[in-house]
Amino acid sequence: LAKTTQPISMDSYEGQEVNITCSHNNIATNDYITWYQQFPSQGPRFIIQGYKTKVTNEVASLFIPADRKSSTLSLPRVSLSDTAVYYCLVGDMGTGGFKTIFGAGTRLFVKA
Amino acid sequence: EAGVTQFPSHSVIEKGQTVTLRCDPISGHDNLYWYRRVMGKEIKFLLHFVKESKQDESGMPNNRFLAERTGGTYSTLKVQPAELEDSGVYFCASSHPTGTSGRRRETQYFGPGTRLLVL
Repeated sequence: LAKTTQPISMDSYEGQEVNITCSHNNIATNDYITWYQQFPSQGPRFIIQGYKTKVTNEVASLFIPADRKSSTLSLPRVSLSDTAVYYCLVGDMGTGGFKTIFGAGTRLFVKA
Repeated sequence: EAGVTQFPSHSVIEKGQTVTLRCDPISGHDNLYWYRRVMGKEIKFLLHFVKESKQDESGMPNNRFLAERTGGTYSTLKVQPAELEDSGVYFCASSHPTGTSGRRRETQYFGPGTRLLVL
């Protein structure tokens, strides 16, 4: 199983770009990298997913180097409402689906 | 499109009682997962259904936990009898994998969770 390692917490100010890097040295060839966001009292919410290079959507960008042993979630111009826990996940290719392995996540605090 | 829903949102019961949690996945999603987070710990996988079949139940803590998904639609997770250490937040997620074999991608959509407190 591919284990992930992320910073425990980060601080930022409104309007700044935030980059959260995740290590996954044992990622398997067919694994995708997925990031989730979780607010208190809510379930994890999908942010972005990628396999290699760069992926961008309306919320974030995901940078994955060629060796895929790490990935960086980039949140442009964060606001107070981006304060949440961010999880980096690597899929475990079980038959018919993924047994998602959650780590401790990164707690992002955005300050005014 | 309606998201994953879970019922109840909160449940407070006494040790020894029975509680049944329900999850309604996104319509058309064959994969349904149960996860749990006990206080101060990470979210842990419990089990995975593909339609009505249990694909992987390696995360179920013990035989006091019984999950069902009759008809391949909604799922229930019953805890009987409940113990103090069962307290936590129980999340359900559903997905529909895409892609070809060899590199399949999947996005799991999570429900809001059921907060269970066993006294």
